[in-house]
Amino acid sequence: DGGITQSPKYLFRKEGQNVTLSCEQNLNHDAMYWYRQDPGQGLRLIYYSQIVNDFQKGDIAEGYSVSREKKESFPLTVTSAQKNPTAFYLCASRVPGGFGELFFGEGSRLTVL
Amino acid sequence: GESVGLHLPTLSVQEGDNSIINCAYSNSASDYFIWYKQESGKGPQFIIDIRSNMDKRQGQRVTVLLNKTVKHLSLQIAATQPGDSAVYFCAEILFGNEKLTFGTGTRLTIIP
Repeated sequence: DGGITQSPKYLFRKEGQNVTLSCEQNLNHDAMYWYRQDPGQGLRLIYYSQIVNDFQKGDIAEGYSVSREKKESFPLTVTSAQKNPTAFYLCASRVPGGFGELFFGEGSRLTVL
Repeated sequence: GESVGLHLPTLSVQEGDNSIINCAYSNSASDYFIWYKQESGKGPQFIIDIRSNMDKRQGQRVTVLLNKTVKHLSLQIAATQPGDSAVYFCAEILFGNEKLTFGTGTRLTIIP
């Protein structure tokens, strides 16, 4: 079945460590997104990519990095520079077209110990 | 800046009753609106969408109403079921913009 796969679902890391969250899609969508969600909060955009080898900063990009070497993959690295990295991270891809809804993965919960 | 907000953070509804979740948006130029449902620990799921040239759109047990005069969006869920318990988000898009703006969400609880 087509969809978005995020891994790992749960991740723990120590302060000062970088961690990479995986996002893979087989929907053949060009655009992919990373959002951060804190408890009781809405979704805030970290980075997005409209095509391979291109990406743009979202509203809260500081302390994060991404790459888009393949259409199917859009990994997010949470670096040690991110001051408050504990959160629920959501990856999404977008249906092509003028409007286009977002399809979301199941999320990755990162906890910094 | 522009933002999408929700009137009520929580809503409790008796099973079988209808529920209405509201959303206020501030960007009058937004072209497209989406409602998402997010169950605990999962990613948001698309429920229904509406374009700015429409006032109403119906799906299975759900109806979205758009009032552009007061910049208000609502999601009506008919005959609520326990599985409807979730957080509901509205989102807005401006045509040609690759970014969606999400509201903070409303938690809907269905009382058996």
